[in-house]
Amino acid sequence: KAGVTQTPRYLIKTRGQQVTLSCSPISGHRSVSWYQQTPGQGLQFLFEYFSETQRNKGNFPGRFSGRQFSNSRSEMNVSTLELGDSALYLCASSSSRGLETQYFGPGTRLLVL
Amino acid sequence: GEDVEQSLFLSVREGDSSVINCTYTDSSSTYLYWYKQEPGAGLQLLTYIFSNMDMKQDQRLTVLLNKKDKHLSLRIADTQTGDSAIYFCAETGSSNTGKLIFGQGTTLQVKP
Repeated sequence: KAGVTQTPRYLIKTRGQQVTLSCSPISGHRSVSWYQQTPGQGLQFLFEYFSETQRNKGNFPGRFSGRQFSNSRSEMNVSTLELGDSALYLCASSSSRGLETQYFGPGTRLLVL
Repeated sequence: GEDVEQSLFLSVREGDSSVINCTYTDSSSTYLYWYKQEPGAGLQLLTYIFSNMDMKQDQRLTVLLNKKDKHLSLRIADTQTGDSAIYFCAETGSSNTGKLIFGQGTTLQVKP
């Protein structure tokens, strides 16, 4: 079974631009969660989608948004990029059976100049 | 509230046991996890423990859970240089959905 895939793996943007990151969960998994990892703040939860509905949201500004498609693939979007948005963005998928099967992708490393 | 605390650094010799500790605050968490992150990589799920268990063993890994003290530990037996990485503990928190609350991570250095 293929693992969680994220595209692109690396991205360089400039301040003010917007970016879209993609996550394909493990086949059969219906929940996708997104996290931001920075040296200063560590791993912080962004949001979770389950069956195309946002089920949970972290404490991030409205510039951060996401969605999930009917095939469980998810995208997150960051508008009006700031230098502080430079981070590793990780997504994780889990089955509908429970949280014990939560697996992470390799992440997208975003650098904002 | 939701908070997870870990010590930041642990250094051991190859072949020794490593014990990484974690304290959490939310007693309603259903699951507690240990993840491993190698340089430049994502998070690898090592093991998890259900909140009504005290101990779980999986090959070289032993997880101990003390619910009264809200303390979680990960013991790695016969630590190898390939175990050098950052180890994160995480809890599900009161939402018990796909939101995990992570500790700051413990960097494990294994010396040959």
